[in-house]
Amino acid sequence: DQQVKQNSPSLSVQEGRISILNCDYTNSMFDYFLWYKKYPAEGPTFLISISSIKDKNEDGRFTVFLNKSAKHLSLHIVPSQPGDSAVYFCAAIPDSNYQLIWGAGTKLIIKP
Amino acid sequence: DTGVSQDPRHKITKRGQNVTFRCDPISEHNRLYWYRQTLGQGPEFLTYFQNEAQLEKSRLLSDRFSAERPKGSFSTLEIQRTEQGDSAMYLCASSTQETQYFGPGTRLLVL
Repeated sequence: DQQVKQNSPSLSVQEGRISILNCDYTNSMFDYFLWYKKYPAEGPTFLISISSIKDKNEDGRFTVFLNKSAKHLSLHIVPSQPGDSAVYFCAAIPDSNYQLIWGAGTKLIIKP
Repeated sequence: DTGVSQDPRHKITKRGQNVTFRCDPISEHNRLYWYRQTLGQGPEFLTYFQNEAQLEKSRLLSDRFSAERPKGSFSTLEIQRTEQGDSAMYLCASSTQETQYFGPGTRLLVL
């Protein structure tokens, strides 16, 4: 039973345009959400996070939106750059817990 | 470099052998985590330390797996009597609060 779902295995976006990566979750006890980026043969790199008390967090080209009623979050990257090509993972932390619960990842391909 | 480091980066072993991986967390981080990742999946939680205390172990962590963090700094993960199904990327992360920072991983191949 996947508690964190990334339903798009891959996404292709033109360089300079907006990339939107989506994530859905089922557990209303999730308290904190994170996005990680992963290149092949490397560990995940932290990008941006959001607490459940907020609905938006922005850091440079990256913005995360949280819709608690829909149990949905999204990562927006604008403008997309070739170096953004990687696998993006959504992860969640339940309240009073420490484990990261991960989605399966979305492979983002930025086309020149 | 002050990030999380892991050693070795790659390990090839024969089925039945024992292997040990090391993780050095970011120095001021009191929390340390081990995860396992296979192709096409997100990482799966294995175990968690707060300082030297191992506070949680996943049911994925069979009795062939043991992890230690003896002085609350570096950690080791040992797999005894390796099986082909143990082939995966083993990731270590550390944190002070919610955000976990990952090392480069150790890729294990069991032949």
